[in-house]
Amino acid sequence: AQTVTQSQPEMSVQEAETVTLSCTYDTSESDYYLFWYKQPPSRQMILVIRQEAYKQQNATENRFSVNFQKAAKSFSLKISDSQLGDAAMYFCGGDYKLTFGKGTLLTVNP
Amino acid sequence: DAGVTQSPTHLIKTRGQQVTLRCSPKSGHDTVSWYQQALGQGPQFIFQYYEEEERQRGNFPDRFSGHQFPNYSSELNVNALLLGDSALYLCASSLLPVNYGYTFGSGTRLTVV
Repeated sequence: AQTVTQSQPEMSVQEAETVTLSCTYDTSESDYYLFWYKQPPSRQMILVIRQEAYKQQNATENRFSVNFQKAAKSFSLKISDSQLGDAAMYFCGGDYKLTFGKGTLLTVNP
Repeated sequence: DAGVTQSPTHLIKTRGQQVTLRCSPKSGHDTVSWYQQALGQGPQFIFQYYEEEERQRGNFPDRFSGHQFPNYSSELNVNALLLGDSALYLCASSLLPVNYGYTFGSGTRLTVV
C-alpha cells in the first residue's frame, strides 16, 4: 500500500516565475511509478510528468521538472516560467493503482 | 484519437437507488480504474479491472461493484445509494504492465438526494 502527502493546500506564483510543489510518499514497493497530475476547473485529470522509481535521473517535460529523492521519499514538482494556464489543482500520486494526495491549488497571478 | 469517454456526465439519484456509470478506455489501453472524488478532495481509488477481472480494490464497501467487458470498456455499479456517495466519479485507462500513466475521463458527477 502507498500513502501520499501534499503539505501545501494552496500556493501562488507570479506569471513567469518558478514555483515548487511538495509531495512525500511512503511505499513498501521496491519498484513503482510516481506521477503529477493537474486538474483544471474542467475537472479532467491531465498527466503532467511521470517518474520511474528505479531511474536516478529526474524527469523533465518542458517547463515541468521533478526533484525525486528516493531515500527521503520526496517527489516535488517545479514549474518554471509559470503561465496563467498552469492554474489548477495539482495532485501527486503513485503506485500501480495510483494513490493520490489531497492536492495543491496553484494560483498564477498576472 | 478518442480519449477516455464517460457517461453520463451528470446524474441525480435518490437515496437507496442503484446507479450504473460507464467508461470507454482510450484506444489501445486494456486496464480501467475507477476513482471517487469528493468535493475539495483528491481522487480515491475504488478498483481496477484488467482482463475482465478485478485486479486491485481500494477501501470501498461491497455496494461498489464493477465489470469489464471484452472490448475493455467498464461499468461501475453502486447499490443502495447514500447521500455520502455524491461525488465526481472518474475513470482512468492505462496499458499495463509498464505504467506510462493513466488517461482520465472528464468524470460523472453523481448527486444523491
